[in-house]
This record gives sequence, structure tokens and C-alpha cells, in this order.
Amino acid sequence: GAVVSQHPSRVICKSGTSVKIECRSLDFQATTMFWYRQFPKQSLMLMATSNEGSKATYEQGVEKDKFLINHASLTLSTLTVTSAHPEDSSFYICSASRKWRGEKLFFGSGTQLSVL
Amino acid sequence: DAKTTQPPSMDCAEGRAANLPCNHSTISGNEYVYWYRQIHSQGPQYIIHGLKNNETNEMASLIITEDRKSSTLILPHATLRDTAVYYCIVRVEGSSNTGKLIFGQGTTLQVKP
Repeated sequence: GAVVSQHPSRVICKSGTSVKIECRSLDFQATTMFWYRQFPKQSLMLMATSNEGSKATYEQGVEKDKFLINHASLTLSTLTVTSAHPEDSSFYICSASRKWRGEKLFFGSGTQLSVL
Repeated sequence: DAKTTQPPSMDCAEGRAANLPCNHSTISGNEYVYWYRQIHSQGPQYIIHGLKNNETNEMASLIITEDRKSSTLILPHATLRDTAVYYCIVRVEGSSNTGKLIFGQGTTLQVKP
């Protein structure tokens, strides 16, 4: 079946640094990718939707300058957490879709970000 | 906001069927019902989805009521490895038809020996 690879699985960084998370669709072309974050014991919260070759659409309350999303190809989307702070520590998950209607989304395994 | 409501938690005995209910009374005619589950610290795993008809695959069965206002996910023979948070999601149509998934709080299923 289709696979979405997310890297790294875990990252620890110092406050003020930037962290990049990659999401790749391994055997299909993902026209749309989604980024979620999840705090402990909470559900997934959609952060943004990215379409290949266009600007990402951010959900209300998500700072676009803080969370930079690039979807430069049909198989790769990246999320960069800029000037990370401890409150950005969270589990970040990406998902990808070939098309949306009647098609399942495939999820990456997630990235645990810890900002010291 | 999520368009579904689920009980926060359920228990099931190992080897028995687990029936997880979901209400989606405001579902639109062309919106699909999706079920995913998440085991701790992993990405969500796809289980099954459907539009109108009941569906079955190697993992589960999905029963959708005729009026489509509710559905039930059935795990026919639950095992300890089925312990997870189960999410019932109605796939949302955005203005650009991106089909994003909005997660609710889900049901924590505890399978007990």
C-alpha cells in the first residue's frame, strides 16, 4: 500500500533554533499534503494544507511565519518550525492524498519535537 | 470543528467483537465517513471508509445507517493490539475541495484479556 515517510522521528533542539521536518510520499504523487500537531492526551489539530506548487493554506490561529510549509514537488512537503520555543514542543504529523474524494489519507509516523 | 461525536471510552473483552458508534447527523450527501485509529506516539492508521453502503475489509466492517446520520465500526475479534484511540471522521469539503480531515476526540478502546 501507499506509504508516507516522515523524518526525523524525534528531534531535540535549543530554543531559538529552526527545525525542518520532511514528509515524503514514497510510491504515489501527493497533490495535497496536510500538517497536524498533537499535544499529549489530545487529538490531532490540523495546522495547514499544502498543494504542490502553491502557497499553503493555514488554519485559523496558526502563524504562517512561524510554521513555514513548502510543497515543492508532488512527493515532498516540508514543515519548518522557525525560532522554536518550548511551547512548540509537540508531536507533528503529516498526511498525503492522491486525490480527496473517496480516497483515504496516508499518514506519516510523526515527529516528536522537544525544544529545550 | 469536528462533525462527529463519539463516546470517549469503551472496553472490550479480547476475542469479542468491538462495536464503536459514531454520530454524524449533519453529514452532507457527498461526504464520506472515515475511520482511523492511533496507537500511542504513532501516526493514525487507516481502517475503513464508506459513503452509503456498508463496507468490509480485512480489518473491520463499517455499518452506515440508511439516513447516514450515524455509523458503527465493528472489529470482529478484538485483540490486545487493537487497544487504541479510534477516530470517526467526516471528510470536509473545503472551498478548494482539499478534503481535509478534522479529528474529534475519538474513542479510546481498551481491549482487556
